[in-house]
Amino acid sequence: KAGVTQTPRYLIKTRGQQVTLSCSPISGHRSVSWYQQTPGQGLQFLFEYFSETQRNKGNFPGRFSGRQFSNSRSEMNVSTLELGDSALYLCASSLEGSVDGYTFGSGTRLTVV
Amino acid sequence: AQTVTQSQPEMSVQEAETVTLSCTYDTSESDYYLFWYKQPPSRQMILVIRQEAYKQQNATENRFSVNFQKAAKSFSLKISDSQLGDAAMYFCAYGETSYDKVIFGPGTSLSVIP
Repeated sequence: KAGVTQTPRYLIKTRGQQVTLSCSPISGHRSVSWYQQTPGQGLQFLFEYFSETQRNKGNFPGRFSGRQFSNSRSEMNVSTLELGDSALYLCASSLEGSVDGYTFGSGTRLTVV
Repeated sequence: AQTVTQSQPEMSVQEAETVTLSCTYDTSESDYYLFWYKQPPSRQMILVIRQEAYKQQNATENRFSVNFQKAAKSFSLKISDSQLGDAAMYFCAYGETSYDKVIFGPGTSLSVIP
């Protein structure tokens, strides 16, 4: 079956712009989580969605937001981009929640210039 | 707050040998889950092994096994018969059902020497 699909793979944006990243989970998976990965901070939890509801949110500013659609696809949005937002953004899906074990996408590499 | 520590930033192993990666965690909970994830240079993270804290039996997946010491809050990963394809960053992770997120350790970079 198809894996977790993240688009786009690479993105270059200018400071102050906004960006939307997309994630399509494995068919049947209802939970989608987002992580930011940087060399300095490692993997940091952004948020988790289940059946279109945000169940948990990490310690990120309000510029970071997300949503989940009825087909479980998810998007995350970052507004007013800063240089420090440059990172690999990983989406992970699971059946019901994180303790089931994640299936990760390949990530979106965001570079802010 | 729960934390996950991996004290070995880098490790190396000869091909066909055995290597053990260390992980410790801190929690006051009794019901939780532990994971090892592998991130090869291609960057796609893969679940290697999953352990439920209430199960005393150590999880195994082919050449991968864990040594779960609940009282010591230790969760090490043993890779037997190491292969070149095992070269990757390995992340130890902790999760609870009550909050839907997983906390990752800083990772251990494993090199496999032919």
